[in-house]
Amino acid sequence: GQNIDQPTEMTATEGAIVQINCTYQTSGFNGLFWYQQHAGEAPTFLSYNVLDGLEEKGRFSSFLSRSKGYSYLLLKELQMKDSASYLCAVTQGGKLIFGQGTELSVKP
Amino acid sequence: GAGVSQSPSNKVTEKGKDVELRCDPISGHTALYWYRQSLGQGLEFLIYFQGNSAPDKSGLPSDRFSAERTGGSVSTLTIQRTQQEDSAVYLCASREGTGDIQYFGAGTRLSVL
Repeated sequence: GQNIDQPTEMTATEGAIVQINCTYQTSGFNGLFWYQQHAGEAPTFLSYNVLDGLEEKGRFSSFLSRSKGYSYLLLKELQMKDSASYLCAVTQGGKLIFGQGTELSVKP
Repeated sequence: GAGVSQSPSNKVTEKGKDVELRCDPISGHTALYWYRQSLGQGLEFLIYFQGNSAPDKSGLPSDRFSAERTGGSVSTLTIQRTQQEDSAVYLCASREGTGDIQYFGAGTRLSVL
């Protein structure tokens, strides 16, 4: 079976740094995705981690530890437009298994 | 268009009616997926098409749900005898054959009254 956990909601301040955690227990793990989804819009790709370690892409970074079944998404220099839902998903047999998503609210 | 296109964007139907949801994937993408996003829930996998292979239907919640992919491109998700619990956003995604990233459409919001 699969179990993917991430916090339901988080709040952070504009300009700050926020870390969104994701833990997973799955069989047949290939890699882990992070997507961003604004309300009423399509999920958009942020990052894909296959190997352990940190991948940095501008203000966003993603970390994976396969041995611990753990990932995080790090958002720096938060902007109001970063208010969205952040979806953690693991690949399994070509399909994605999603967590429930973390609703991030950025306050001024 | 460059992205995944879904139609209609919104659909309101009465309980017991059949509905068809359409997905136009990115041109050249051989893999196509359907997911369902219910209120307060994560995305739930429904069905996966890859080229000419038999589809992975393991996520379809009941035999009222079916999907086709014609000519390796456009896909239609059909829900027969809709129930109120079918109300959700239905999302389609496509992927290049050798790629890893799935690209999503904006979804169809289905409301069953």
